[in-house]
Amino acid sequence: EAGVAQSPRYKIIEKRQSVAFWCNPISGHATLYWYQQILGQGPKLLIQFQNNGVVDDSQLPKDRFSAERLKGVDSTLKIQPAKLEDSAVYLCASSRSTMSLGELFFGEGSRLTVL
Amino acid sequence: GNSVTQMEGPVTLSEEAFLTINCTYTATGYPSLFWYVQYPGEGLQLLLKATKADDKGSNKGFEATYRKETTSFHLEKGSVQVSDSAVYFCAPLWEGGSEKLVFGKGTKLTVNP
Repeated sequence: EAGVAQSPRYKIIEKRQSVAFWCNPISGHATLYWYQQILGQGPKLLIQFQNNGVVDDSQLPKDRFSAERLKGVDSTLKIQPAKLEDSAVYLCASSRSTMSLGELFFGEGSRLTVL
Repeated sequence: GNSVTQMEGPVTLSEEAFLTINCTYTATGYPSLFWYVQYPGEGLQLLLKATKADDKGSNKGFEATYRKETTSFHLEKGSVQVSDSAVYFCAPLWEGGSEKLVFGKGTKLTVNP
């Protein structure tokens, strides 16, 4: 089965610009996650979707970050305007259902550099 | 709040050496416990898990035992290989409310031939 697909793999922007990341989860996976991984740290959950509804976005900086999962399949994460501290790898993950909590399948990530 | 503390790296070992990577969590309830691994150039992947006290998770020669009394979930392998070089993340999952994994900072392991 195909894995979690993310694009772009790399993005370099200047501060105050905007950027969008795309994720296509494994087919049939109801739950989708976006994580932020800053260099030298573990991934931090930004937002979790169950189908097309938001389950948890408590750590999403909503003044600049937004995410959507229309139709309950693929998802986009947007940052506008970007700050220097947003430089990180943005990881998308999916899981089959709430019955498989903790068993996540990750994409390779999108590396963002903000200059 | 819920948190996890993972052994600082990097760790450098010779092939066939014994590996231990320590992981402890705050004792708020009884989380499920996971170890994830990130090989160079690849995405994170689940290595093993344990869902209740005294459970032992195992995979690819790695083991970890859920120790409720010490709130720990240390990762061990008896004989590491060069191909085990990767970053390892401990991640508890607390249920009830907003279930989410809380990842440790990661421990980078390098195994030399």
